[in-house]
Amino acid sequence: AQSVSQHNHHVILSEAASLELGCNYSYGGTVNLFWYVQYPGQHLQLLLKYFSGDPLVKGIKGFEAEFIKSKFSFNLRKPSVQWSDTAEYFCAVNGMDSNYQLIWGAGTKLIIKP
Amino acid sequence: GAVVSQHPSWVICKSGTSVKIECRSLDFQATTMFWYRQFPKQSLMLMATSNEGSKATYEQGVEKDKFLINHASLTLSTLTVTSAHPEDSSFYICSALAGDYNEQFFGPGTRLTVL
Repeated sequence: AQSVSQHNHHVILSEAASLELGCNYSYGGTVNLFWYVQYPGQHLQLLLKYFSGDPLVKGIKGFEAEFIKSKFSFNLRKPSVQWSDTAEYFCAVNGMDSNYQLIWGAGTKLIIKP
Repeated sequence: GAVVSQHPSWVICKSGTSVKIECRSLDFQATTMFWYRQFPKQSLMLMATSNEGSKATYEQGVEKDKFLINHASLTLSTLTVTSAHPEDSSFYICSALAGDYNEQFFGPGTRLTVL
């Protein structure tokens, strides 16, 4: 079955700490991988995406993610978080096998203490 | 990047009335659009897949007679919540499929409140 698992439901960090949010997926066939962010009271925004090529993907606001095919993982990282990174982060995958419907993780709420 | 708009951004209506929400792809054509619902503090729930010129495909548990979807053109899909009730109050989000890799581009969402 197609699924996406985000390991941490809540993460609390202090400013300047390093961040890594886990995402593992189960999907047959070629996948596209996404990280979306939803700031409080705002709509979904795309942080970064992987379709093919270099498995280390850089996105907006200093975020990056690494696709490790052997581990079925697409973890999100940021070396030094800021208070403004407080938001909910969603990992998602899609592909031809799901008619390009996005398969969503449950989300991770990130709180950055000033 | 591709832009998707939704109208209205928020709506308040009385119980029993119908509400129409529009989803437009502004600078690209989309044969496929998706409608989601987001409950407070939860992830997105896919309601239906809207295909231009054909009937929408609804997810299990979503009433097609209550949530009418029309995708009459390559740039517009509409969701009509018929005979709305307070439990239909939610955040409705659409997305449109575009690009070589079939990436979904999201609209800003519509906040529906049914009194």
